[in-house]
Amino acid sequence: GQSLEQPSEVTAVEGAIVQINCTYQTSGFYGLSWYQQHDGGAPTFLSYNALDGLEETGRFSSFLSRSDSYGYLLLQELQMKDSASYFCAVRGNAGNMLTFGGGTRLMVKP
Amino acid sequence: DTAVSQTPKYLVTQMGNDKSIKCEQNLGHDTMYWYKQDSKKFLKIMFSYNNKELIINETVPNRFSPKSPDKAHLNLHINSLELGDSAVYFCASSSGTSGRGYEQYFGPGTRLTVT
Repeated sequence: GQSLEQPSEVTAVEGAIVQINCTYQTSGFYGLSWYQQHDGGAPTFLSYNALDGLEETGRFSSFLSRSDSYGYLLLQELQMKDSASYFCAVRGNAGNMLTFGGGTRLMVKP
Repeated sequence: DTAVSQTPKYLVTQMGNDKSIKCEQNLGHDTMYWYKQDSKKFLKIMFSYNNKELIINETVPNRFSPKSPDKAHLNLHINSLELGDSAVYFCASSSGTSGRGYEQYFGPGTRLTVT
């Protein structure tokens, strides 16, 4: 089976940096993805890590350590529009089926 | 130029009814998926389907069945609806197992309410 753990809620102020952690236990592992979902909206893809290390895309970065079964999403220069839920998801097989964590609700305050 | 579209956006129905949700993607992707998101925002894969293979999450009741008339469409049919089926259902697609197949594009969701 698959299970992913991430904090349920994080609060930060505009301009700050926030890190959302994700630990996973899976029977198979091809990679770790991150998705953003605004209230009432659809999940949108942010990043994917198949190998250990840091991937940077603008203000967002994602890190993976396969040996630790751990990853994180780093959001820099926080903006109010970053207030949303963030989900980590494991791609457990070559068929791209994703198992999602419970989501982290990020609240950005002025 | 909607990439992944779903209809209807809202669906209210009574227990015991049968309903369908339609999904279409214009991205040329060859793999489509259905997810269920419950009231606590937990997102669970239900099906993965391409023109060769249907993969079913073993926890999905057999009252749920995907139907794909062609590569661009994957509809979700639900028989004998129950109260616990109330959720938001998302369709998604990806380019399959090659290239950026790990990147899934989600539709806007269908909010199903069973009364």
